[in-house]
Amino acid sequence: DVKVTQSSRYLVKRTGEKVFLECVQDMDHENMFWYRQDPGLGLRLIYFSYDVKMKEKGDIPEGYSVSREKKERFSLILESASTNQTSMYLCASSLGREGRGTEAFFGQGTRLTVV
Amino acid sequence: AQKITQTQPGMFVQEKEAVTLDCTYDTSDPSYGLFWYKQPSSGEMIFLIYQGSYDQQNATEGRYSLNFQKARKSANLVISASQLGDSAMYFCAMRERNTDKLIFGTGTRLQVFP
Repeated sequence: DVKVTQSSRYLVKRTGEKVFLECVQDMDHENMFWYRQDPGLGLRLIYFSYDVKMKEKGDIPEGYSVSREKKERFSLILESASTNQTSMYLCASSLGREGRGTEAFFGQGTRLTVV
Repeated sequence: AQKITQTQPGMFVQEKEAVTLDCTYDTSDPSYGLFWYKQPSSGEMIFLIYQGSYDQQNATEGRYSLNFQKARKSANLVISASQLGDSAMYFCAMRERNTDKLIFGTGTRLQVFP
């Protein structure tokens, strides 16, 4: 079974702190994604990566950066956490081709609270 | 621009009845894939069904079917014989071939009552 693991289930950080959210997948997927989920807004794409050291901005990249030094690991970085970044963060991975079998697999989510 | 729209924030359905969850999309890429996911209260994201833009037939997976109308850019999910366990959030998503970008709609909360 594909496994996508996020390093923390719950995090509480202070305003201004630098925050790292880690995500690891074990199925050699090319694509990895970071989303935030807020009530009424669905899942909004922050950043995605289609290869090692390659990244693309999603719809809401402001205040975030990412790192993908190895194929299996995709990190989301909040350079200076703010209260409006309090949210559920979801990591996902998928194969990098079209067609059946390319659905994204998700981690369990990290609920981040910035105080 | 790539966009997914789900206009139903919430839906109710009686057990054993069928229900349709609406999804429309916008893209300029002629090649794309459409996905539906279920998110129960536990929070996990469960993949349900996939439809490719060039697929000739509507996708089906057990009680789930996808009513794909390409000209209208709609990809509605049909759940037949609803069960209490179908109560959850449902998300429609699209990935364009050119960008590999995967985006989601705002979701529909489905509640199944006895």
